[in-house]
Amino acid sequence: GIQVEQSPPDLILQEGANSTLRCNFSDSVNNLQWFHQNPWGQLINLFYIPSGTKQNGRLSATTVATERYSLLYISSSQTTDSGVYFCAVGPGRSGANSKLTFGKGITLSVRP
Amino acid sequence: DAGVIQSPRHEVTEMGQEVTLRCKPISGHNSLFWYRQTMMRGLELLIYFNNNVPIDDSGMPEDRFSAKMPNASFSTLKIQPSEPRDSAVYFCASRGLDRVAFFGQGTRLTVV
Repeated sequence: GIQVEQSPPDLILQEGANSTLRCNFSDSVNNLQWFHQNPWGQLINLFYIPSGTKQNGRLSATTVATERYSLLYISSSQTTDSGVYFCAVGPGRSGANSKLTFGKGITLSVRP
Repeated sequence: DAGVIQSPRHEVTEMGQEVTLRCKPISGHNSLFWYRQTMMRGLELLIYFNNNVPIDDSGMPEDRFSAKMPNASFSTLKIQPSEPRDSAVYFCASRGLDRVAFFGQGTRLTVV
């Protein structure tokens, strides 16, 4: 099956700093989502981004499907950004209803 | 929309007992996923359904686990008999034709 690798595994930031989180995948995809798992365990959608670039407030994401990676940018980080960030992908050859495979996540801690 | 609804939120049971987890997907969504999250193994896909039909159950750990989707608005994951190693957070997610998956709040299962 498709492999998903996220880096770095852990990240500690001072409030106000910027960061880049990376997701590499081993095969072509037709589905890629970024999720934030907050300290209460909820998995919250950030972006659906199988290709291209999107922005939502302080967060933005870019997926370069031909090079098999996606990046999540967090600018002016806040303590509420703390938690685990997951990348999940669906393989490209399986059609629209493929399963989502998750990476191991990136644990972000933002210090006040 | 109320989102994906899971019940119960927490379940504590004794080893050997039957456990049933429930999920109501978002209305109109045609795919449903069951995931399990543990510290050691991260987020693992157990099974997913398209249009109420199980498509891939290769992640189901063993015969003690079973899942059903009798209609488009309800799914169950059953463990019988339960064992301490089944302790985990179980998530249900649903997805529509736009390919964006949404997760429920999860069921935290503890088997003692």
